[in-house]
Amino acid sequence: AQSVTQLGSHVSVSEGALVLLRCNYSSSVPPYLFWYVQYPNQGLQLLLKYTTGATLVKGINGFEAEFKKSETSFHLTKPSAHMSDAAEYFCAVTRGTGNTGKLIFGQGTTLQVKP
Amino acid sequence: DGGITQSPKYLFRKEGQNVTLSCEQNLNHDAMYWYRQDPGQGLRLIYYSQIVNDFQKGDIAEGYSVSREKKESFPLTVTSAQKNPTAFYLCASSIDRAAHPHNEQFFGPGTRLTVL
Repeated sequence: AQSVTQLGSHVSVSEGALVLLRCNYSSSVPPYLFWYVQYPNQGLQLLLKYTTGATLVKGINGFEAEFKKSETSFHLTKPSAHMSDAAEYFCAVTRGTGNTGKLIFGQGTTLQVKP
Repeated sequence: DGGITQSPKYLFRKEGQNVTLSCEQNLNHDAMYWYRQDPGQGLRLIYYSQIVNDFQKGDIAEGYSVSREKKESFPLTVTSAQKNPTAFYLCASSIDRAAHPHNEQFFGPGTRLTVL
C-alpha cells in the first residue's frame, strides 16, 4: 500500500531564510508525487508535481522539489521565505497499481514565517 | 473562468438533520472527489466518481451519500448517521486520472460545516 509521511507538523522560519518541508513516501510502483498549498479557509492549490523525467521539479512561487528514489523522498524547498508563504502544505502520491486516480495525502505541514 | 465552485461557504446544521453540500465544475472533467479535512489529519477521501452515474466509496463513506447525475455536478449529503460531521469539506475534480494518472486534482474553495 502507498503512504505519505510529512515530517514535522509545524515549521517556523524567518523571512528570507531557507524553507525545507519534508515528505517521504512508500510505493510499490513508480509514484506520481504532488505538493499542494492551502491558505486559511481556502481550497488546495497545486505547487508542483513529479511524474517522470527530470527529478528536480520547479513550481510556482519559487518552490521546487527533488524526487530521490533511493531515499523515497520528495522534499519541498524555497531559497528565501516570504511572509506570503505562510500556509499549510500537503504532499500527495497517487494510489494503487490499478490506478483509479485517487491520491493519498500526508498529514500536512504548517509553515510559519516570522518577520 | 473555469473552475470549481462549492456552496455554501459556511453551513450550520442541527443534530439529526441531513444537509447537502453543492459542488459544480465547468472544467469538463470526468472525475470528481469529496474530501473531509480535520485539523492535523490531512485530507480523507469520502466518495469519488470517475464517470456520470457511477461513484465509489472512499475511506470514510459511512454517514455520507452522493449522486452524479450530471458531469459538472457532484453533491454530497451529510446524513444524520454521520456521528461527527463538523469539518471542512473539499470537492475536487480532474481529467480521468485512471487514464491520465499524472494529472492533478483541482480543488474548490471548501464548505465549513458546523453541527450545533
